[in-house]
Amino acid sequence: DAGVIQSPRHEVTEMGQEVTLRCKPISGHNSLFWYRQTMMRGLELLIYFNNNVPIDDSGMPEDRFSAKMPNASFSTLKIQPSEPRDSAVYFCASSLAGTQHQPQHFGDGTRLSIL
Amino acid sequence: KQEVTQIPAALSVPEGENLVLNCSFTDSAIYNLQWFRQDPGKGLTSLLLIQSSQREQTSGRLNASLDKSSGRSTLYIAASQPGDSATYLCAVEWGFQKLVFGTGTRLLVSP
Repeated sequence: DAGVIQSPRHEVTEMGQEVTLRCKPISGHNSLFWYRQTMMRGLELLIYFNNNVPIDDSGMPEDRFSAKMPNASFSTLKIQPSEPRDSAVYFCASSLAGTQHQPQHFGDGTRLSIL
Repeated sequence: KQEVTQIPAALSVPEGENLVLNCSFTDSAIYNLQWFRQDPGKGLTSLLLIQSSQREQTSGRLNASLDKSSGRSTLYIAASQPGDSATYLCAVEWGFQKLVFGTGTRLLVSP
């Protein structure tokens, strides 16, 4: 089992640039989650998908943030334009949603620095 | 609004000690509670998941309990080892599949 794969692991870019973070969930999982972790606010859920459909995006901070899941094996989180306050570690997680609640499996994260 | 609190924020113990980490939450209408471990520069690893109808779960040296009515959970680690050093996070599933995380307890186990 390859686990949840995120890329890139680190991203450093200048303010105003577009940033795209990528995630490949565990094969067979039907739910995918994007989280952001900062020292000030801890881990926060940004958006989650079920069967490739966005279910809840209430955690997305601003219109500058967007997420897509074009198929069951790939998702992107895009920030355009980026700002220094977007600097954080972004995690993707996946799970198998069903009648029994299953644990979420996390990737190693993308450490994003906006200069 | 669901709020999850973990105490202590940091803990340092010598190897071999038994220890307890605490987690409290404000709204008892949860689906389950999960304990995660996070190593520096890594993602989260799920340790234990307690369904709302359960009272405890055990895995090896780890035991987690859940008291929904009082809004509390504890993670008990027996015979701690240096390899247990990490940040431990609890999270409640509040709203279908939506996890609300605590701020974590940073554990250091010294040889």
